[in-house]
Amino acid sequence: SSELTQDPAVSVALGQTVRITCQGDSLRSNYPSWYQQKPGQAPVLVNYGKNNRPSGIPDRFSGSSSGNTASLTITGAQAEDEADYYCNSRDSSNNHWVFGGGTKVTVL
Amino acid sequence: QVQLVQSGAEVKKPGASVKVSCKTSGYTFTRNYMHWVRQAPGQGLEWMGVINPSGDSKNYAQKFQDRVTMTRDTSTSTDYLEVSSLRSEDTAVYYCARDHSDSSGWWFDPWGQGTLVTVSS
Repeated sequence: SSELTQDPAVSVALGQTVRITCQGDSLRSNYPSWYQQKPGQAPVLVNYGKNNRPSGIPDRFSGSSSGNTASLTITGAQAEDEADYYCNSRDSSNNHWVFGGGTKVTVL
Repeated sequence: QVQLVQSGAEVKKPGASVKVSCKTSGYTFTRNYMHWVRQAPGQGLEWMGVINPSGDSKNYAQKFQDRVTMTRDTSTSTDYLEVSSLRSEDTAVYYCARDHSDSSGWWFDPWGQGTLVTVSS
């Protein structure tokens, strides 16, 4: 089965830029989606497809993909961006979906 | 607006079954697939499976093939997840999440608020 690999944790200074990466074979044929989860809350979609943001998500969240690697970039990180971030992708071989292990973003 | 409202927390004994509901509103229920995702305490998100709009086709993660049943009631726009033969490792928050797809790929939005299932003797 397909897997997605994320770095467990990253930190970023307030107002600076941080990139969260996600690696996996399924990303070669499917765009990922990205979810933000704050403690005690349900996940929230922040980016999907080539680089699409749902209504209400700030434009500082952007996505990109190349080969087997996808990235979510937060440009000008704010204190409220401190959260866990998960990538997700569909595995075309079996019509299953898979999540990355999650990246904890700390804003310093 | 689109809402997914899940049933309340459950406490079950090992070996029992639990059935979680996800009542939807604000959109045409039979237009979207529904996914179920769980999250054990302090752990990441785990995809469990998906049910099609009419409810007659399901696709479960290999890990849950033998113990999970997803159903839906189109008359009440409600999805259900049943997990049988519960063990302590099934203690988790269970989420429903509406599927979307187009040429951009697939994504889950919105999510239910989550249902905590605790398995304890």
